[in-house]
Amino acid sequence: DTGVSQDPRHKITKRGQNVTFRCDPISEHNRLYWYRQTLGQGPEFLTYFQNEAQLEKSRLLSDRFSAERPKGSFSTLEIQRTEQGDSAMYLCASSLELGTGSYEQYFGPGTRLTVT
Amino acid sequence: GQQLNQSPQSMFIQEGEDVSMNCTSSSIFNTWLWYKQDPGEGPVLLIALYKAGELTSNGRLTAQFGITRKDSFLNISASIPSDVGIYFCAGSNDYKLSFGAGTTVTVRA
Repeated sequence: DTGVSQDPRHKITKRGQNVTFRCDPISEHNRLYWYRQTLGQGPEFLTYFQNEAQLEKSRLLSDRFSAERPKGSFSTLEIQRTEQGDSAMYLCASSLELGTGSYEQYFGPGTRLTVT
Repeated sequence: GQQLNQSPQSMFIQEGEDVSMNCTSSSIFNTWLWYKQDPGEGPVLLIALYKAGELTSNGRLTAQFGITRKDSFLNISASIPSDVGIYFCAGSNDYKLSFGAGTTVTVRA
């Protein structure tokens, strides 16, 4: 088990460009989450998937953001027409939900986005 | 915004000291978790608590789930230099984790 991986680790883009991030969860985990973290703050929930279904989206996820998990394995997070306020660390986490109420989420190393 | 308040915001440790930090919430949570984050990395899960009053240890770390379900604390005993980092508490009632703003632990020069 190699843990949650994210790619790229760093992305610098110009305002107005589109960016896409990838997350590969722990292989047997059925839930995948996206969070955003700005400097000096804890992570904030964006969205989550149970298998391939996107079940919840935060109000933080504007219509410029879209996430997919097409085959219930890896996930992508796309930001269209990036703005400077999108600069943050984007974290992916995964968990195994068996209906037993275990909410242990394991995080990847994050993708640091800088919008210039 | 953040629902959880962590204190202290920052602390200095000297090797060998015991340190404590806590987390309070205006809301009840069914699960409390503690994470540690190093610069440029994602949070690493340290301890998960599932029952009010529960006291759980992981090596030199001990955490408790408050009786009111609105607070939790984390103790680190006999601190070592690699304990430096940012410690986050997180509460959950379902799929979503709500995080505090973190306690930054630094080594005292």
